[in-house]
Amino acid sequence: NAGVTQTPKFRVLKTGQSMTLLCAQDMNHEYMYWYRQDPGMGLRLIHYSVGEGTTAKGEVPDGYNVSRLKKQNFLLGLESAAPSQTSVYFCASSSGVTDTEAFFGQGTRLTVV
Amino acid sequence: KNQVEQSPQSLIILEGKNCTLQCNYTVSPFSNLRWYKQDTGRGPVSLTIMTFSENTKSNGRYTATLDADTKQSSLHITASQLSDSASYICVVRAQTGANNLFFGTGTRLTVIP
Repeated sequence: NAGVTQTPKFRVLKTGQSMTLLCAQDMNHEYMYWYRQDPGMGLRLIHYSVGEGTTAKGEVPDGYNVSRLKKQNFLLGLESAAPSQTSVYFCASSSGVTDTEAFFGQGTRLTVV
Repeated sequence: KNQVEQSPQSLIILEGKNCTLQCNYTVSPFSNLRWYKQDTGRGPVSLTIMTFSENTKSNGRYTATLDADTKQSSLHITASQLSDSASYICVVRAQTGANNLFFGTGTRLTVIP
């Protein structure tokens, strides 16, 4: 029962470095999401995808890019990391946008120094 | 503006005691409300879903209520256990749009022996 898998689980970056976070789901879900979670704040949507080859901006997209080349994968990229991007990142997927449950990965803790 | 507010922010209770967590929302048009449990270092996991027509739903020691008129929900935990220590997040889904999930900031529950 893999569900939603995120890699890596932890990462430390220097300011200005780039990296890609990978999210993989094995439930054949159409919808995939990237969130960030910061202390005292609810999960905030960065980008999302409604299907293979599509992406859209969420609430806090600046400084991030995404790609959905395959239905099961959703990549989140940081081109030039900044300390403000220190956060815990969660990927989620769902089969629809009504009563369906969103399934979350275990999170990636990113620290930018 | 679509918002979800939870109270209290944090709560400490003795093992075996009951507690109630609150969620108020302004999301419209309303589709459903889910309570998620997030263990430390893990992604959120759905506990229960409440739709417009449901007033009360139980899942073991967890009982959720929904008052769609006042836009309030509660999560009652009975006979708390140490494993209940976690953050509980209220998530409200609007009826329209792929970007239609609205998250509360969560209540951090600590159960002590």
